[in-house]
Amino acid sequence: GNSVTQMEGPVTLSEEAFLTINCTYTATGYPSLFWYVQYPGEGLQLLLKATKADDKGSNKGFEATYRKETTSFHLEKGSVQVSDSAVYFCALSSYNTDKLIFGTGTRLQVFP
Amino acid sequence: EAQVTQNPRYLITVTGKKLTVTCSQNMNHEYMSWYRQDPGLGLRQIYYSMNVEVTDKGDVPEGYKVSRKEKRNFPLILESPSPNQTSLYFCASSFPGLAGAEQFFGPGTRLTVL
Repeated sequence: GNSVTQMEGPVTLSEEAFLTINCTYTATGYPSLFWYVQYPGEGLQLLLKATKADDKGSNKGFEATYRKETTSFHLEKGSVQVSDSAVYFCALSSYNTDKLIFGTGTRLQVFP
Repeated sequence: EAQVTQNPRYLITVTGKKLTVTCSQNMNHEYMSWYRQDPGLGLRQIYYSMNVEVTDKGDVPEGYKVSRKEKRNFPLILESPSPNQTSLYFCASSFPGLAGAEQFFGPGTRLTVL
């Protein structure tokens, strides 16, 4: 079945450091890929998405590229801020369903 | 403001005492869904609904019920809660059938069953 694997956290960084959170997926067909972010005490918010191979999603300085050849959708940011501290979820939805399948989440902690 | 609301936000109850968590959205979305979030497991879908009076099981439906009598509301019912249902619950909604459609999430309901 479809699944998402993402790196375990927590990821601890200093402000202005480079961020990578790895995400790989298993899916039939051509899924859509997402990164959702959960700030403390809040629900999930869509951070970025990509719906086909080689698409790059970007938002708030974060980027991720849909790589079909490596079945990956790694999240990157060039310079993190303390306000980026949150839990990040990689997710996919198959072409014929609205269900989101989530990874286990990666907690990011950014220190000044 | 477009939003998904859930109530209550926090609930502590005892084993066997029926409870309902409400979910409401104001975006006219056909698709609504319930997830539970547990450490190390991410979010898992409990039930979903494609439209009014159309509901179906997700990946972890045991011990839960839902109903969809109106488009905007999608309550989650635990008829006889047990401690293994202690979790963080999220309701979500979206327009169905669109590749890459964003799902909008409520703020979450933290449930503790003693």
